[in-house]
Order: sequence, then C-alpha cells, then structure tokens
Amino acid sequence: AQSVAQPEDQVNVAEGNPLTVKCTYSVSGNPYLFWYVQYPNRGLQFLLKYITGDNLVKGSYGFEAEFNKSQTSFHLKKPSALVSDSALYFCAVRDNPGNNRKLIWGLGTSLAVNP
Amino acid sequence: AAGVIQSPRHLIKEKRETATLKCYPIPRHDTVYWYQQGPGQDPQFLISFYEKMQSDKGSIPDRFSAQQFSDYHSELNMSSLELGDSALYFCASSGQTSGNNEQFFGPGTRLTVL
Repeated sequence: AQSVAQPEDQVNVAEGNPLTVKCTYSVSGNPYLFWYVQYPNRGLQFLLKYITGDNLVKGSYGFEAEFNKSQTSFHLKKPSALVSDSALYFCAVRDNPGNNRKLIWGLGTSLAVNP
Repeated sequence: AAGVIQSPRHLIKEKRETATLKCYPIPRHDTVYWYQQGPGQDPQFLISFYEKMQSDKGSIPDRFSAQQFSDYHSELNMSSLELGDSALYFCASSGQTSGNNEQFFGPGTRLTVL
C-alpha cells in the first residue's frame, strides 16, 4: 500500500538559514509526490509536485524538493527561511494513478522560523 | 483565477442535528474530494467523485453521504451529528487543467457540534 512518512513533528530554524522538511514514501510503482502548506485557519495550498523528469523540483514561495529514488525520499527545502514560512507542511503521494486520484497524506510537520 | 468555493465557512450545530456542506470546484475540474481534518491532525480522506460517480471511499461514517451534481458541485450531508464530528472539512478538486495530478483545496468549512 502507498504510504508517506514525515519523521519530524516539528522543525525549528532561524530566519535566513536553510530549511529542510523531510518526507519518505513507499509505493508499488512510480510515485506521484506532492507538498502542500497550511497556514493557521487556512486551507491547504499546493507548493510543488514530482511526477517525472528532473529530480529537483521548484515550486512556490522559493521552495524546492529533491526526489531521491534510491532513498525513497522527497525532502522539501528552501535556501533561506522566512518567518512567514512558519506553517504546517504536508507531504502526499497519489494512490493508484488513474481515475482514482486519492492522495495519501503524511502526518504533517510544523515549521517554526524564528526571527 | 477561480478557486474552489466552499460554503458555509463556519457552521455550528447541536448534537443529533444534520448539516449540509457545499463545494464548488474550479471550472472544468471533473473530480471532487472531501477531507476531514481534526485539530492538529492530517487531513483524512472521506470520499471522492469523478464525473458525478463515486470514485473512492475513505473513512466516511455511514451517517454521512455525498454526491456530485450535474454542474460538478458536490454536497456532503451529515446526519445525527456527534461532538467528534467537529472539524475542518475541506473540499478539493482536480481535472484536466491540472494534469489530473495536484488537487486544489477550498478554504474549508469549520463545523462545530455542541
């Protein structure tokens, strides 16, 4: 079965430092991987996705993620964190590509960027 | 650009009452998903519809039902509400315009059951 793991409940970084939010996955075929961000009392916003092609995917707000097939990881990164990046981040994998497009979600990682 | 619309944004109900949540997907999106998110929890998939037919079913209680209409909007009907149903309910849509991949989420309906 498809699954996603976010090993860290919380990540703390200082503003201006690089940040990494970790995600590992388990799929039976080729993974479709996604990152979403959720600000307090807001809906989920799509950040970026990996379907095929370059392993380094660039997304919104300066975020990027690196698909690593050998390590089954899709870590979210940003070179220089902003206080406004503080939010809840969810990694997701698409279940059974096709008409059934349900996403399988990680438990989320709370990112706190300190001034 | 048009986004997913959900109504109402906030809803307060008593135990054992019923509630109806509405979702209007992005134009030309053919798939709608419903999620429930409790405080501090990840979104839990409830149910999805593709071209007005149920395409997948998750952890949706028997007390809940949903459908997608001819204009592609969807409604989640919740009956015999319980305190534990208090949560954020998100609707998302996807379709050919998004390459059938990423889902676009609405702002959510916050349901409080008293």
